[in-house]
Amino acid sequence: DIQVTQSPSTLSASVGDRVTITCRASQSISSWLAWYQQKPGKAPNLLIYKASSLESGVPSRFSGSGSGTEFTLTISSLQPDDFATYYCQQYHGYPWTFGQGTKLQIK
Amino acid sequence: EVQLVESGGGLVKPGGSLRLSCAASGFNFSSYSMNWVRQAPGKGLEWVSCISGGSSYMYYADSVKGRFTISRDNAKNSLYLQMNSLRAEDTAVYYCARDRITMIPYYMDVWGKGTTVTVSS
Repeated sequence: DIQVTQSPSTLSASVGDRVTITCRASQSISSWLAWYQQKPGKAPNLLIYKASSLESGVPSRFSGSGSGTEFTLTISSLQPDDFATYYCQQYHGYPWTFGQGTKLQIK
Repeated sequence: EVQLVESGGGLVKPGGSLRLSCAASGFNFSSYSMNWVRQAPGKGLEWVSCISGGSSYMYYADSVKGRFTISRDNAKNSLYLQMNSLRAEDTAVYYCARDRITMIPYYMDVWGKGTTVTVSS
């Protein structure tokens, strides 16, 4: 199985900050990585697919990069609505696997 | 509007069974592969199972293989998850999620709100 390691597990930041979350795969997954945002009590929401493609309707302050085994999600200028938990997920092969999540909280 | 609505969750004793349903609307259900993903209380997301549009293939996480069965009824626009031999560690919110099929490999683009399963004596 492909292991996905996400860091950090918690991130404290302020409105307006630029933040980066990292995801590492245990083997090459090409660009087959998605990022999701989840708010408490809600379902995950797709932000990024194919490592760097922005889902329709997602603000352009979100961006993704990487390929192979190392990936990043960047939020260029944090907004109050962005404080949530973020997950990466590989879809290179079954079983699909998620990172452990990064909780983005207000500093 | 694309919509997925899960149902069937509840409280069940260890060793018991439960059948989850997911009603789909707003898209051509039979063309899409579908998934179940779960989230234990306070924990991260875990992919559980996937089924193709025509039920020709199914995949499972090792943690549920042999105990859970995914199925679908395209005439009813419905996805199911039959869960047998339930354990305390199966306690979670269960989400159904649609695959986006406009490119290969597929990935999950639309999620339901989830249904809660609690396994406890």
